[in-house]
Amino acid sequence: EEQLVESGGGLVQPGRSLRLSCAGTGFNFDRYAMHWVRQAPGKGLEWVSGITWNGGRTGYADSVKGRFTISRDNAKKSLFLQMNSLRPEDTALYYCTKDTAPAPYYMDVWGKGTTVTVSS
Amino acid sequence: DIVLTQSPATLSLSPGARATLSCRASQSVGRFLAWYQQRPGQAPRLLISDASNRATGIPARFNGSWSGTDFTLTITSLEPEDFAVYYCQQRSGNWVTFGGGTKVEIK
Repeated sequence: EEQLVESGGGLVQPGRSLRLSCAGTGFNFDRYAMHWVRQAPGKGLEWVSGITWNGGRTGYADSVKGRFTISRDNAKKSLFLQMNSLRPEDTALYYCTKDTAPAPYYMDVWGKGTTVTVSS
Repeated sequence: DIVLTQSPATLSLSPGARATLSCRASQSVGRFLAWYQQRPGQAPRLLISDASNRATGIPARFNGSWSGTDFTLTITSLEPEDFAVYYCQQRSGNWVTFGGGTKVEIK
């Protein structure tokens, strides 16, 4: 069974950093693009960042560009999101998702999410 | 950036009714659009890819269609488990964006 498990969320003060991790099992991790998608409480889905199968290309939403960095370790079947200069508006449930292709298309596997709360 | 506008925001229908959800793109995305369903307390799941292709295991009552920049998700006869929020997503332009969602609620 294809599965994604996120970790690393928590309560953090504004301006601080946090690093999210996502472990993939049950599929060939190194064949697919991966993404982070977030959902603020009571709100819709917002794509945050994506990375192609080999890490050769990355993309970011304007709201996080310059503050967040996505990376992957295919040998460890893991995806990461380094979040710096966090703001209260970054508070959300962060989902790790698997793409259907090596480059960004659609998301066919979703983790359960990890919660990030930015507050003083 | 490509903006996806979903309408209506909320759709109030009875079980067995037909649901028609709309997603309009601000510019051409070809047929590169997907639909997702999110039930309360759950992660979203992929329903439709490439505008009209049902994902594995998705019932035949879910149908996607498009014309130009207008995309439609039709649920032919609502089952109790279909009352949820639906999102569209495009993959042209700058990576990926989602629409704001349509909530299908029980009337």
